[in-house]
Amino acid sequence: KAGVTQTPRYLIKTRGQQVTLSCSPISGHRSVSWYQQTPGQGLQFLFEYFSETQRNKGNFPGRFSGRQFSNSRSEMNVSTLELGDSALYLCASSLGTGRGYTFGSGTRLTVV
Amino acid sequence: DQQVKQNSPSLSVQEGRISILNCDYTNSMFDYFLWYKKYPAEGPTFLISISSIKDKNEDGRFTVFLNKSAKHLSLHIVPSQPGDSAVYFCAATQLSGTYKYIFGTGTRLKVLA
Repeated sequence: KAGVTQTPRYLIKTRGQQVTLSCSPISGHRSVSWYQQTPGQGLQFLFEYFSETQRNKGNFPGRFSGRQFSNSRSEMNVSTLELGDSALYLCASSLGTGRGYTFGSGTRLTVV
Repeated sequence: DQQVKQNSPSLSVQEGRISILNCDYTNSMFDYFLWYKKYPAEGPTFLISISSIKDKNEDGRFTVFLNKSAKHLSLHIVPSQPGDSAVYFCAATQLSGTYKYIFGTGTRLKVLA
């Protein structure tokens, strides 16, 4: 079965712009989580959606938002981009029982 | 507040020898732990997990040990192979609670041929 698909793979934006990243989970998975990976910081949890509802939220500013659609696909939006937002953004899907995720390959966002 | 810590950013091991990657956590409510492996330009892939009711779980060359009193877990790879060279992340969650995974900062393992 198809894995977790993230689009686009690479993105370059300028400061102040906004960006939307997309994630299609594994079929049947109802939970989608988003992580930010930067060198030295590991994977920082952004938020998790389960059945279209935000179930968990990390410690990121309100510029970072997300949503989940009825088909479990999820989008993440970052507004007013800052240079520090440059990172690999990873999406992970699961059944929602807590027993592990399957990650996508990520979207590499560069803010210039 | 880093609830899951991997204090060694990098580790080099000779091929065929044992690799030991360590992870410490501070939240005693965590009851499920996982290790992920990540190659460059790819997402992390699941390696092995352990529930807090166990102190050891083995899968082929990979063994995870959990010491709840010390809030410490370790991943042993025996024997190490060059293809094991990657960044390893440990993660912890509370199955009875939020299901949110907290990841460590990763340890870059290099297995020398």
